[in-house]
Amino acid sequence: DSGVTQTPKHLITATGQRVTLRCSPRSGDLSVYWYQQSLDQGLQFLIQYYNGEERAKGNILERFSAQQFPDLHSELNLSSLELGDSALYFCASSVATDAPGAFFGQGTRLTVV
Amino acid sequence: EDKVVQSPLSLVVHEGDTVTLNCSYEVTNFRSLLWYKQEKKAPTFLFMLTSSGIEKKSGRLSSILDKKELFSILNITATQTGDSAVYLCAAISGNTPLVFGKGTRLSVIA
Repeated sequence: DSGVTQTPKHLITATGQRVTLRCSPRSGDLSVYWYQQSLDQGLQFLIQYYNGEERAKGNILERFSAQQFPDLHSELNLSSLELGDSALYFCASSVATDAPGAFFGQGTRLTVV
Repeated sequence: EDKVVQSPLSLVVHEGDTVTLNCSYEVTNFRSLLWYKQEKKAPTFLFMLTSSGIEKKSGRLSSILDKKELFSILNITATQTGDSAVYLCAAISGNTPLVFGKGTRLSVIA
């Protein structure tokens, strides 16, 4: 158990809908990273937050947004969902801004039908 | 654009064999390279390499980084069926916290 908690584990939704994925980092970790893993693209970095502020942005679509709350949990919002958004979404956390990825959550599997 | 390339894409070996997985990278302001093992769900961290030529070892697994030639290898000796997984390599760059390769799928058969 990495100590990073993601909910829900599975999500099935229809095209055009909006969903929210939640991540609780390990205790004491200030950085949260979101990744998308699809069969054709592999694991791709989406966005990073550090202590409530956006720190780095990757290949995140405009339909996707994220935020980190004062209690350091983070949410990834996906809207106007398309079939191609079906993927595993991972959250990872670290203490600092420059040590990403040692601890991954178990992921949320999103299926868009 | 930052890029990490792993080879081979897949590999089938027999128990007891030794395997070498390759990872080459081209990233801006390279800082470190990480290896992960991914079985069913979340990647599990194996190694982080920052300095060239220093081997890191953990049991039957070892890894080394060559910053001049921009590559890393992951060796697994005396493979077991439990080593079957996708092995991911990722680079930390100045632009992106982690740039992942597509992975090498290792299958170890008894």
